[in-house]
Amino acid sequence: SQQGEEDPQALSIQEGENATMNCSYKTSINNLQWYRQNSGRGLVHLILIRSNEREKHSGRLRVTLDTSKKSSSLLITASRAADTASYFCATVPDDKIIFGKGTRLHILP
Amino acid sequence: EAGVAQSPRYKIIEKRQSVAFWCNPISGHATLYWYQQILGQGPKLLIQFQNNGVVDDSQLPKDRFSAERLKGVDSTLKIQPAKLEDSAVYLCASSLEWAGGTGELFFGEGSRLTVL
Repeated sequence: SQQGEEDPQALSIQEGENATMNCSYKTSINNLQWYRQNSGRGLVHLILIRSNEREKHSGRLRVTLDTSKKSSSLLITASRAADTASYFCATVPDDKIIFGKGTRLHILP
Repeated sequence: EAGVAQSPRYKIIEKRQSVAFWCNPISGHATLYWYQQILGQGPKLLIQFQNNGVVDDSQLPKDRFSAERLKGVDSTLKIQPAKLEDSAVYLCASSLEWAGGTGELFFGEGSRLTVL
């Protein structure tokens, strides 16, 4: 079963714009991670946020976590063509890492 | 640092045939995962090893899937007999340690299986 649900399922924006995608989950978690997957490739870790953190930054990435709403958001600022990929949130409810269905992001030139 | 190696990258078989996938994790990584990713979906955990012991295999269809991690290093995932619905990418990942799930997962490129 999948714990996290990303929203939207697909997103197309112009290069240079900001992209925001959301993840909602069902049960309490220890931490939440975001991964990127380019077409035909494996997943790459982007950022981890712990349950006692509310916001975290890494380069052009900003992640927020609201444990009361059981949701997280990933913001990519100043998008580039290379950001075109699928983005997955991964939650850790107990002793395993569970991925959502992902958001497919397409950056238009 | 070498990444997670998987082979084969692509495999096409007939239903009811068998197939095996191999994974060599990053050196020193204690935790190894096999995920199944069906087209358009997120990865689904099949089995998780800590060294050579199984931590979780609750979603592994044990009537047809088996996995082992002898000597706590590389691992094989076998499907026998394959069904049409097994068509997917099989991703192997490793992490330095479990650490309550705070460890970064490093993924291989995946093995794409097509069952005809």
